[in-house]
Amino acid sequence: AQTVTQSQPEMSVQEAETVTLSCTYDTSENNYYLFWYKQPPSRQMILVIRQEAYKQQNATENRFSVNFQKAAKSFSLKISDSQLGDTAMYFCAFMKQGPGGSEKLVFGKGTKLTVNP
Amino acid sequence: GAVVSQHPSWVICKSGTSVKIECRSLDFQATTMFWYRQFPKQSLMLMATSNEGSKATYEQGVEKDKFLINHASLTLSTLTVTSAHPEDSSFYICSADRVGSYEQYFGPGTRLTVT
Repeated sequence: AQTVTQSQPEMSVQEAETVTLSCTYDTSENNYYLFWYKQPPSRQMILVIRQEAYKQQNATENRFSVNFQKAAKSFSLKISDSQLGDTAMYFCAFMKQGPGGSEKLVFGKGTKLTVNP
Repeated sequence: GAVVSQHPSWVICKSGTSVKIECRSLDFQATTMFWYRQFPKQSLMLMATSNEGSKATYEQGVEKDKFLINHASLTLSTLTVTSAHPEDSSFYICSADRVGSYEQYFGPGTRLTVT
């Protein structure tokens, strides 16, 4: 079974600064996907960034980037130029690659990020 | 695109009654829909996976007779909480994947309060 571990229950950062959220996972699968989701107070789950395990290049989406270390099974999220709207719960998630369509997501326990003005 | 809706967004029911929550993919067809439960300040816990026209697959520890899932079409799945009790009070979230895609799109969630 796959597991996802987020070791930082809470973090805070000053507006405009950079913060990194940690995530490690355990799997015997070779083909899989990794995701970071944001859940603001509205509780709507929002996809922040995704990474295919077969891709060596780290994914980037505007101010959000990941450091994917497949051998170490590590998948950290870096948020640059933090904004007040980034305040939310952040969940790291794992999905194994299935024969067709999506498989179930395995979530970490989450990191509560607060951006301070 | 890729919008998922849930209805209702908040429901209060009395202990012993049943309540139905709908999950719809509004602008795409979904091969698979997933139902999650989330307690306050906790992560999402997968309850079941449903495919259109077939029986749902429940995660270990989830009572399938209590949480009835019907995936009637490629755009609609329903979760019925039968004989609800206060301990069933929670936030229920659905997600759906687009045909041919591995990405899941989440609904806004339904807050269930059982009194």
